[in-house]
Amino acid sequence: GESVGLHLPTLSVQEGDNSIINCAYSNSASDYFIWYKQESGKGPQFIIDIRSNMDKRQGQRVTVLLNKTVKHLSLQIAATQPGDSAVYFCAPWNAAYKYIFGTGTRLKVLA
Amino acid sequence: DAGVIQSPRHEVTEMGQEVTLRCKPISGHDYLFWYRQTMMRGLELLIYFNNNVPIDDSGMPEDRFSAKMPNASFSTLKIQPSEPRDSAVYFCASSLFHHEQYFGPGTRLTVT
Repeated sequence: GESVGLHLPTLSVQEGDNSIINCAYSNSASDYFIWYKQESGKGPQFIIDIRSNMDKRQGQRVTVLLNKTVKHLSLQIAATQPGDSAVYFCAPWNAAYKYIFGTGTRLKVLA
Repeated sequence: DAGVIQSPRHEVTEMGQEVTLRCKPISGHDYLFWYRQTMMRGLELLIYFNNNVPIDDSGMPEDRFSAKMPNASFSTLKIQPSEPRDSAVYFCASSLFHHEQYFGPGTRLTVT
């Protein structure tokens, strides 16, 4: 079945620095991916998505990179701010119309 | 739009009691998802509906769990009887097609 792994369960970053959150997935058939942000006490919130026919997509201060060859995604956050502190999930979509979220990566922004 | 609405926000119950969680999806969305989140297992999909019809309930832990969607604006997740290991945060999410899901604030369930 599908599995999603995260290389760094907790990432601590200095305010103003760039953050990179990595995600590996196992199902090569996944063709759509979403990154979610979950703040304490709240439900996950959509950040950015990418389709498998792309290798890069940019949003406001965020960039997602997709490497299908090694089944790896990364979320880059520029000029990390205290409000970026949260748990981040990458969610590959599989053919059963399901997203696999896993446990997430916690980002801590240090003042 | 008010977003996805869940009730109650917190529920504390004793083992063996019936628990019913409620969800109102965003108007116009045709998919509704129920998730459970724990520290150990992360965010797990329990069941999802498309146009009020259950499509995949393979994530439902056991027969104690059941979900219904009687109409496009309401869904329930029921646990009967509840057990301490059911303690978790339960999220409802809705989406248009199977794209970006909008999550509710969750229901924190504690079974003692």
